Amino acid sequence: GENVEQHPSTLSVQEGDSAVIKCTYSDSASNYFPWYKQELGKGPQLIIDIRSNVGEKKDQRIAVTLNKTAKHFSLHITETQPEDSAVYFCAAVKKLVFGTGTRLLVSP
Amino acid sequence: NAGVMQNPRHLVRRRGQEARLRCSPMKGHSHVYWYRQLPEEGLKFMVYLQKENIIDESGMPKERFSAEFPKEGPSILRIQQVVRGDSAAYFCASSAGQRGNQPQHFGDGTRLSIL
Repeated sequence: GENVEQHPSTLSVQEGDSAVIKCTYSDSASNYFPWYKQELGKGPQLIIDIRSNVGEKKDQRIAVTLNKTAKHFSLHITETQPEDSAVYFCAAVKKLVFGTGTRLLVSP
Repeated sequence: NAGVMQNPRHLVRRRGQEARLRCSPMKGHSHVYWYRQLPEEGLKFMVYLQKENIIDESGMPKERFSAEFPKEGPSILRIQQVVRGDSAAYFCASSAGQRGNQPQHFGDGTRLSIL
């Protein structure tokens, strides 16, 4: 079945820095890649997604890139703010298979 | 427009009792998914339902667990004869279309504790 690996497991940055989270997937048939942000005590919130026919997508301070050949996709957050602190999950779909999560801590 | 609603938010059961978790999807969504999350881990798929039908239950334990999504009312995840290992957060998601075609939106989960 599909396997999604996510790195790093923890990421600490200073406010204003950029943060990059990387994922790899195993099933070349996966065609949809959402990213979720989960705050303590809450459910995952969809923040951005990308389909396999697109290489990059941007929404304000958040961008996602996809390399289908290498089966890699990445989340980029620029100008990080303390409220960006949360656990971030990547996922790959045919079936929604989640990565193991990255705990992002942004220090003021 | 209300999001995915789950209740209860917290549920405490003793070993051997039954747990019933409810999920009301977003308005207009007819596809429902259940996931389980252990502390410090990602979400693991359990079951995918469309109104009155189970589409994929490949992540569901073979015994004690069942799910339904009736024509009227919320989706129910039922765990019979609970054991300590069932303690987890259970999340429901819904989508407007088939898995993979439409994004899934999550509720805030039910945290199940087994004494």
